[in-house]
Amino acid sequence: RKEVEQDPGPFNVPEGATVAFNCTYSNSASQSFFWYRQDCRKEPKLLMSVYSSGNEDGRFTAQLNRASQYISLLIRDSKLSDSATYLCVVTPDSSASKIIFGSGTRLSIRP
Amino acid sequence: EAGVAQSPRYKIIEKRQSVAFWCNPISGHATLYWYQQILGQGPKLLIQFQNNGVVDDSQLPKDRFSAERLKGVDSTLKIQPAKLEDSAVYLCASSLINTYNSPLHFGNGTRLTVT
Repeated sequence: RKEVEQDPGPFNVPEGATVAFNCTYSNSASQSFFWYRQDCRKEPKLLMSVYSSGNEDGRFTAQLNRASQYISLLIRDSKLSDSATYLCVVTPDSSASKIIFGSGTRLSIRP
Repeated sequence: EAGVAQSPRYKIIEKRQSVAFWCNPISGHATLYWYQQILGQGPKLLIQFQNNGVVDDSQLPKDRFSAERLKGVDSTLKIQPAKLEDSAVYLCASSLINTYNSPLHFGNGTRLTVT
């Protein structure tokens, strides 16, 4: 089993729709979680951290489910500019070593 | 604030040749990472430095890859000799401190093609 797994997609949704995808992790002792966004042929950029209590940033909501060992990202009222690959990132322990990236979920928003 | 600088932007070499990449992290960032990203995959950590010391190089193919960060600032990653499967984007990232909740800032990457 991979340490961090994501559905590669692509998710193809119409503009204005709500879309959600999950990321599962295998190490129950994992400490911190992030979502990064990567546009085609660009570098990854931090989208948001994922806190135990869940967090929201505008149209984006991130949740952590420790019992089932997954994190989720929900995008409401999707925009064409949301088209990108979304990378799940997990840090297994309290140090920043062995930061693990998922393979990414590709999202395409159509007009 | 200037971002992470990487060069070159693109490199095409033949197999068995050598290549070197350079990275200058954000000023004041103590932690520097080199990642390899193969098309369709997520970035894979090659090596992590804390100042000029190596924190993690467990996934670095040491028979052909080497990296250094001699003065704790900029860093070079070298491949010698290159193989076809080394074709990838090599991303450098830095973070302010070496804690689990410190976000990574990536450079534009170097796209390597080995023919």
